[in-house]
Amino acid sequence: DTEVTQTPKHLVMGMTNKKSLKCEQHMGHRAMYWYKQKAKKPPELMFVYSYEKLSINESVPSRFSPECPNSSLLNLHLHALQPEDSALYLCASSPQGAHYEQYFGPGTRLTVT
Amino acid sequence: KQEVTQIPAALSVPEGENLVLNCSFTDSAIYNLQWFRQDPGKGLTSLLLIQSSQREQTSGRLNASLDKSSGRSTLYIAASQPGDSATYLCALRGRRSNYKLTFGKGTLLTVNP
Repeated sequence: DTEVTQTPKHLVMGMTNKKSLKCEQHMGHRAMYWYKQKAKKPPELMFVYSYEKLSINESVPSRFSPECPNSSLLNLHLHALQPEDSALYLCASSPQGAHYEQYFGPGTRLTVT
Repeated sequence: KQEVTQIPAALSVPEGENLVLNCSFTDSAIYNLQWFRQDPGKGLTSLLLIQSSQREQTSGRLNASLDKSSGRSTLYIAASQPGDSATYLCALRGRRSNYKLTFGKGTLLTVNP
């Protein structure tokens, strides 16, 4: 099973809302990632978790708050977002180590109104 | 800083044609290179992973090559089909930033029936 699942598929939220994105994998991968992708652009790395600990934050605004409660689950908590944060949010996972491929989920399409 | 360029940005071919997508990079200090396919509004599907020590990888009608000395990779698609229509992205995992995938901007492929 090489599947990464993400929920919800679509999310519309106001600028004062709080919402969360969820990502799950059962491949035993110990590295998990959040990416943001704007239309017609490549994905941009946001966060990396390694063994459930945050190892990389690519200078992401604090209105995005990641969480890795266990080795299979990755959350992205959203609060006070701006319309320019509307994008496709992709989760990925890989075995720990630089030589392994990353597996991506289907993404959550986020619209901030 | 690693820069990844994909040429052409868009390609339209008739069904059945063999085609080559190009990816060039500026820093040859890489762990590996990964080719992805992305359908509109969807996540990334990993197609092939080539380690820095390898010259090529094959999967079905796809063949990817890697030449680190010239900073180039190609993705060869044999006997193209309309279902191959998608955006193809190459991404490098560099030795100087080993968690980060650096993406090209992609090639939008359209295979016409």
